[in-house]
Amino acid sequence: EIVLTQSPATLSVSPGESATLSCKASQSVSSNLAWYQQKRGQPPRLLIYTASTRATGIPARFSGSGSGTEFTLTISSLQSEDFAVYYCQQYYKWPPGAYTFGQGTKLEIK
Amino acid sequence: QMQLQESGPGLVKPSETLSLTCNVSGGSISNSGYYWGWIRQPPGQGPEWIASIYYTGTTSYNPSLRSRLTISADMSRNHVSLRLSSVTAADTAVYYCARHLTGRPFGLWGQGTLVTVSS
Repeated sequence: EIVLTQSPATLSVSPGESATLSCKASQSVSSNLAWYQQKRGQPPRLLIYTASTRATGIPARFSGSGSGTEFTLTISSLQSEDFAVYYCQQYYKWPPGAYTFGQGTKLEIK
Repeated sequence: QMQLQESGPGLVKPSETLSLTCNVSGGSISNSGYYWGWIRQPPGQGPEWIASIYYTGTTSYNPSLRSRLTISADMSRNHVSLRLSSVTAADTAVYYCARHLTGRPFGLWGQGTLVTVSS
């Protein structure tokens, strides 16, 4: 199983500033990595796929980078609606293996 | 616009079998190219992919849960079902259904249904 480790667990940032979230894979997933945003009581929402491609309707302030085992999600000029939990997910092992998710980074207002 | 809606029992006793249904509206699950998956999220934890099924009937299961799982699709009712046997408290979670392409992330999610395993 490919393990994804996200850091930090919690990130405190002021509105208007930038946030950088990290996701490290236990083995290479090439560029088969996605990022999701989840707000309380809602399902995850796909933000980024193929490590750096924004999903439909996602603002340009969200950007992803990386390949292999190290990935970064950067959110520039944080808006109030951006404070949420963020998860990375690998989809390298398909089929017959398992998709896996990271444990999340909570982005909170400083 | 396609929407997914999960339904389930809410409360299940330990050792029993959990049955969940995902009703799909605004489109047919038999559209080629899409897998229909189940993901769960225990309270305060990250999501965990459980299983997916293609409209042809091809299935994929999380290896850690495979022995207890059955996923199926009913084209006439346009829904996808999941059965998880021998549940324990560790199976308490919000269960989501979601749509994805082959080897792609989950682009469309339902709102989820909370399942609690307790006697």
